[in-house]
Amino acid sequence: EVQLVESGGGLVQPGGSLRLSCAASGFTFSSYSMNWVRQAPGKGLEWVSYISSSSSTVYYADSVKGRFTISRDNAKNSLNLQMISLRDEDTAVYYCARDMWVGNGMDVWGQGTTVTVSS
Amino acid sequence: EIVLTQSPATLSLSPGERATLSCRASQSVNSYLAWYQQKPGQAPRLLIYDASNRATGIPARFGGSGSGTDFTLTISSLEPEDFAIYFCQQRGNWPPITFGQGTRLEIK
Repeated sequence: EVQLVESGGGLVQPGGSLRLSCAASGFTFSSYSMNWVRQAPGKGLEWVSYISSSSSTVYYADSVKGRFTISRDNAKNSLNLQMISLRDEDTAVYYCARDMWVGNGMDVWGQGTTVTVSS
Repeated sequence: EIVLTQSPATLSLSPGERATLSCRASQSVNSYLAWYQQKPGQAPRLLIYDASNRATGIPARFGGSGSGTDFTLTISSLEPEDFAIYFCQQRGNWPPITFGQGTRLEIK
């Protein structure tokens, strides 16, 4: 079964740090580019970051640039998001999502992990 | 940054009716537009990619059309499980990847 499972969410104070992980299974992880997408409570979807299959290309939303770092370990089938200098507005459910092999869409999503930034 | 505007914000229909959801881009995204369905407490699910292609396992009642700046998601005959929030997403000019604000499809 193709699956993505996020972990690492939690409650953190403003200015704090957190590292999210996404464990992939059921497919050849090293062949796919990946994304992080977040959703603030009661709000829509916001793309956060992208990483190519080989890690050679990474992109960030302006809202997180300089604070978040995406990475992957293809040997461990894992995707990561290191978050520092967290702000109240970073509070959201964070999803990892797989890019399609052919076509433009994110075809596999994890169940999400909740990050709450609050004092 | 390309802005996607979805309309209507809320659509109230009955099972069996036809639903038409719109997504308009602030500039051309060619055909690089996807549609997602999201139910409460669940992750989004890909319905349509590249404007008109159904994703794996998506019923034939879901259809996508459009190119450039104007796109439509059509559900030909609503089933009870179709009542959810629908988002469009573009990748015609990125980064950033952007999403529309969503259309809530509710039971009338």
